[in-house]
Amino acid sequence: SAVISQKPSRDICQRGTSLTIQCQVDSQVTMMFWYRQQPGQSLTLIATANQGSEATYESGFVIDKFPISRPNLTFSTLTVSNMSPEDSSIYLCSAHGSNQETQYFGPGTRLLVL
Amino acid sequence: LAKTTQPISMDSYEGQEVNITCSHNNIATNDYITWYQQFPSQGPRFIIQGYKTKVTNEVASLFIPADRKSSTLSLPRVSLSDTAVYYCLVGDYNFNKFYFGSGTKLNVKP
Repeated sequence: SAVISQKPSRDICQRGTSLTIQCQVDSQVTMMFWYRQQPGQSLTLIATANQGSEATYESGFVIDKFPISRPNLTFSTLTVSNMSPEDSSIYLCSAHGSNQETQYFGPGTRLLVL
Repeated sequence: LAKTTQPISMDSYEGQEVNITCSHNNIATNDYITWYQQFPSQGPRFIIQGYKTKVTNEVASLFIPADRKSSTLSLPRVSLSDTAVYYCLVGDYNFNKFYFGSGTKLNVKP
């Protein structure tokens, strides 16, 4: 299994600002994913981040709003740009290695935009 | 993509066996079925994964019929600590394409 940490665990931000969320994995992984989860809802995939290539975004999510970096095989960041109250949510990262059977998830980042 | 359907919620009592079914009528040949458990303020945690027939591990069993259009997560003798949301995910082994279900909120009562 993989152990995943996220920073920050929570934050309160003002509208119009940006927040960068960090995701660290304790082992090298092929694929990393970023999700958004509204309270009481299922997970919605934002994008898939592979090392050495551009992130692949799902319908409804764009790079200008959610830029992603993947500088190496253990780390990724998601930036929520020009935030509005509608961006208030939990943001989760997960990782999947080629020798692993499943995705492993971080604890999430709770974001509140005022 | 093989969309999934799960019951929104289920109630059970401590010590009972709980079976949660997920429907995935359009499952593809190379899709696997994975179940996750999520507690409040935590990320989902892997429970079990299967392709066909039956898989068992130390915490659960997964039953998949021959047509693979559904799957059933079986939790033996649940306790209060099993109160959580359970998600069914269907996708290929490398997660190139996958779909997270809407989740089933299991409430275990004393």
